Amino acid sequence: EAQVTQNPRYLITVTGKKLTVTCSQNMNHEYMSWYRQDPGLGLRQIYYSMNVEVTDKGDVPEGYKVSRKEKRNFPLILESPSPNQTSLYFCASSSILQMGAFFGQGTRLTVV
Amino acid sequence: QQQVKQSPQSLIVQKGGIPIINCAYENTAFDYFPWYQQFPGKGPALLIAIRPDVSEKKEGRFTISFNKSAKQFSLHIMDSQPGDSATYFCAASKGRDNQGGKLIFGQGTELSVKP
Repeated sequence: EAQVTQNPRYLITVTGKKLTVTCSQNMNHEYMSWYRQDPGLGLRQIYYSMNVEVTDKGDVPEGYKVSRKEKRNFPLILESPSPNQTSLYFCASSSILQMGAFFGQGTRLTVV
Repeated sequence: QQQVKQSPQSLIVQKGGIPIINCAYENTAFDYFPWYQQFPGKGPALLIAIRPDVSEKKEGRFTISFNKSAKQFSLHIMDSQPGDSATYFCAASKGRDNQGGKLIFGQGTELSVKP
């Protein structure tokens, strides 16, 4: 089954404690992205990657890091989480051969 | 600034009604306009998409109307059903960003279809 898998689905952490949200896709897609979803703001892109070792900032990259060492994986790293990063996060992948992005199930992060 | 503005924020219709969700964009370089549907606890899923070279696209009960001169596009759901209750997002992207998944989303519309 074609899918984008994120882990964990839910995470509560404390301010300043480094965390990583993993994302993996099994569709051999070239492109992967991270979005955050906040009420009234829709989804906003954090970072995206066009291929292995190629990443670029989205619209709200501050406080986040990413890496793309393998085609299938695109982890999101919060080095020092703050309460304003409490949000619902989505990973997405897409292919150069077709339009549209496939989204994971989401990770609900709470930073206290 | 919000490059894609979506309205209304929420919408309630009776079963069989035709909800209409509107979006307006600013960047004339946008050339791909998808709509995504999101159920609670799930990620958004591509519903239907349009390019600016056509004024309308239908897929089943879902229709996109596109007005290039007004920089507006809308989603119509014919014969709406309770199962259509979800949050709908419009989005836009341009050029090679289409394939890159670099989408600019609207704020979302929470649709409720009453039996």
